[in-house]
Amino acid sequence: AQSVTQLGSHVSVSEGALVLLRCNYSSSVPPYLFWYVQYPNQGLQLLLKYTTGATLVKGINGFEAEFKKSETSFHLTKPSAHMSDAAEYFCAVTLGTYKYIFGTGTRLKVLA
Amino acid sequence: EAGVAQSPRYKIIEKRQSVAFWCNPISGHATLYWYQQILGQGPKLLIQFQNNGVVDDSQLPKDRFSAERLKGVDSTLKIQPAKLEDSAVYLCASSRFLAGGQETQYFGPGTRLLVL
Repeated sequence: AQSVTQLGSHVSVSEGALVLLRCNYSSSVPPYLFWYVQYPNQGLQLLLKYTTGATLVKGINGFEAEFKKSETSFHLTKPSAHMSDAAEYFCAVTLGTYKYIFGTGTRLKVLA
Repeated sequence: EAGVAQSPRYKIIEKRQSVAFWCNPISGHATLYWYQQILGQGPKLLIQFQNNGVVDDSQLPKDRFSAERLKGVDSTLKIQPAKLEDSAVYLCASSRFLAGGQETQYFGPGTRLLVL
């Protein structure tokens, strides 16, 4: 069965520092992978997705993620954190079906 | 374009009462999803509609939860009777069509339910 693991339920970084949010998946077939962001009292907003093709995916707000099949990972990065990046981030996977399996989320805190 | 609309945004009820949530998807989106997001967890799919037909309701607690999308546009999710463990955020999402997992789901702001 497919699953998603997000390491670290809470991550703190200083403003201007590198953001790295980890996501590992379990799948027996090539997955489709997504990162969503959720700001307080709001729904989820798509940051980026990987379906096929280039393994380095660029998204909105300066975020990017790299699909590494050998490591079954899809970590989210941003070179320089901004205060407005403080939110909860969810990794999700599908296996060519409509059903998203979400991770438990990582809450990002940006320190001034 | 207008996003996914949900109402109410917040609801507080006592256990054993009933409650209903409403969702209006993005115009033209054929597929509609209801998710339950318990505090500290990721969203869990409850039910999915393709137009006005149910595609998947395998994780819907059918003894107390029901959902409909009669005209293939907006949808309601009902809980009757509510239990304490139903306290969660209920998210509605929509996508253009049911595709092979590549289709982006667009989420509404959610309804936060507290059952006392």
